[in-house]
Amino acid sequence: EVQLLESGGGLIQPGGSLRLSCKASGFSVDSYAMHWVRQAPGKGLEWVSGISGSGATTIYAESVKGRFTISRDNSENTVDLQMSSMGADDTAVYYCALGDTAMVPETNFLDPWGQGTLVSVSS
Amino acid sequence: DIQMTQSPSSLSASLGDRITITCRSSQSISSYLNWYQQKPGKAPKLLIFSASSLRSGVPSRFSGTGSGTDFTLTITNLQPEDFATFYCQQSFSIPPTFGGGTKVEI
Repeated sequence: EVQLLESGGGLIQPGGSLRLSCKASGFSVDSYAMHWVRQAPGKGLEWVSGISGSGATTIYAESVKGRFTISRDNSENTVDLQMSSMGADDTAVYYCALGDTAMVPETNFLDPWGQGTLVSVSS
Repeated sequence: DIQMTQSPSSLSASLGDRITITCRSSQSISSYLNWYQQKPGKAPKLLIFSASSLRSGVPSRFSGTGSGTDFTLTITNLQPEDFATFYCQQSFSIPPTFGGGTKVEI
């Protein structure tokens, strides 16, 4: 069974940094793109970032470009999201999700999703 | 970015009802449209991809239609487990964007 498990969330002060991790099991991650999607409390879904199966291609939402970095370690079956210069607008549940192809721009749909990890930015 | 607009934002329904949710894109996205279901405190789950293809394991009472800019998600014979929030998402261009969601309540 394909499963994704996020970790690393928590309370962080404005301007701080945090690293999220997504551990995949039940499949080989190097065949699939992986994405991060977030959801602010009581709000809708916002795509954040994606990385190709090889890790060679990464893409970001404008709202996080230059502040967030996505990376992957296929030997460990993990995808990380390094977040820096964080602000209140980054407060959200962060989900990792599996793309249906290895290439990021060609991702058609996201399935499955992890259970999410909560990130709160507050002083 | 392509804007996705869902309507209604919420609706009340009863068990056994047939409901329709609409999603409109700000430009043509062919059939690059997916639907997700999210229950409170849970992650979204894929229901339909490519506008009308039912994900394996999803009940056949869910169906999707549309192409271009206008899409619909229809649920027939509404069941208790169907009360949730539904999101459309376009995968035609980067960045992928989601609709604002439709909350289906009793």
